Amino acid sequence: QKEVEQDPGPLSVPEGAIVSLNCTYSNSAFQYFMWYRQYSRKGPELLMYTYSSGNKEDGRFTAQVDKSSKYISLFIRDSQPSDSATYLCAHRGGAAGNKLTFGGGTRVLVKP
Amino acid sequence: ETGVTQSPTHLIKTRGQQVTLRCSSQSGHNTVSWYQQALGQGPQFIFQYYREEENGRGNFPPRFSGLQFPNYSSELNVNALELDDSALYLCASSSLADTGQYFGPGTRLTVL
Repeated sequence: QKEVEQDPGPLSVPEGAIVSLNCTYSNSAFQYFMWYRQYSRKGPELLMYTYSSGNKEDGRFTAQVDKSSKYISLFIRDSQPSDSATYLCAHRGGAAGNKLTFGGGTRVLVKP
Repeated sequence: ETGVTQSPTHLIKTRGQQVTLRCSSQSGHNTVSWYQQALGQGPQFIFQYYREEENGRGNFPPRFSGLQFPNYSSELNVNALELDDSALYLCASSSLADTGQYFGPGTRLTVL
């Protein structure tokens, strides 16, 4: 079982819709979780990070962590064509320093 | 504030050759991590450097090696290149006290 799993998509939504992205993780000891956005042929861009359980909101983005079910989510409200990208979830920590362990990414397409 | 930069942007090598990739960390960051991202997959942790010392290593063979310099810039060296080494190599900088890691644009390596 992979440490972090994501549905690869693609996830296609109309402009203005809510984009809902999910990841599952295997190790209940994980505490720090991140969401990155990656445009084609670019480096990942940090969107949000959360610690432990709960919600965090930043503009159109909301991140949720449910430790009881080992589930992390990212919601994008009022989606725009510029939100079309691959979204990567990750957790920080583990035996090897402060490494990030990523899911495989979900490709999102927002259609005008 | 200067972001993370990487050079070169693209590189083509043949099997068996050696390659050196370079990274300049974001201003104020003393930790550099390197990741390998194969096409369609999430980044995989190679290793991390903190104050010129290796501070954790992922599941990569010894032919992947690195350095960090006093100004916190870093190099990734790969010897005896194999076809499977073809990937996007990403550098991320951070401070140990900071949860987030901030990525550069990457170096795309093609091994023929």
